Amino acid sequence: GDSVTQMEGPVTLSEEAFLTINCTYTATGYPSLFWYVQYPGEGLQLLLKATKADDKGSNKGFEATYRKETTSFHLEKGSVQVSDSAVYFCALKGGGADGLTFGKGTHLIIQP
Amino acid sequence: NAGVMQNPRHLVRRRGQEARLRCSPMKGHSHVYWYRQLPEEGLKFMVYLQKENIIDESGMPKERFSAEFPKEGPSILRIQQVVRGDSAAYFCASSPIDGTGSTEAFFGQGTRLTVV
Repeated sequence: GDSVTQMEGPVTLSEEAFLTINCTYTATGYPSLFWYVQYPGEGLQLLLKATKADDKGSNKGFEATYRKETTSFHLEKGSVQVSDSAVYFCALKGGGADGLTFGKGTHLIIQP
Repeated sequence: NAGVMQNPRHLVRRRGQEARLRCSPMKGHSHVYWYRQLPEEGLKFMVYLQKENIIDESGMPKERFSAEFPKEGPSILRIQQVVRGDSAAYFCASSPIDGTGSTEAFFGQGTRLTVV
């Protein structure tokens, strides 16, 4: 079945540092890929998405590129802020699936 | 346009009681999904419903759990005879259409169920 693997947390960085959160997937066919963010006590919000190979999703300074050859969708940001502290989930939706398949989440902590 | 509304936000039940979780999708959305988030885990798909139909319940435990999405009113996730292992955050998501991988699902704030 489909699966998503993302780096274990917590990830602790200083403000203005460069961020990478790794995400790799296993799926049949050509899934769509997503990054969701969950702030404390809140539901998930879609951060960005990519629907086909080599697409780059971007939002709020975050970027991720759909790499079919490495089955990856790593999340990056050039300069993080304290307000970026949250849990980040990588997810996919396969062509034949009804729901999203999520990774376990990566807790990001940004220190001033 | 209000977002996906879930209530209650927090629910405490004693072992053996029933838990009812409600989800009102965004206006115009007729597709509802339920997910469960166990502590330190990602979200796991439970069930996908359209109005008056269960489309996919492959992620639902075989016993004690049921879901409905009636023609009128919110979607309900019902857990009978709760046990401590049911303690989790339950999230509902809705979307306007489905069948394409790019359709964005909008999530509610979740119901945190605690079984004591």
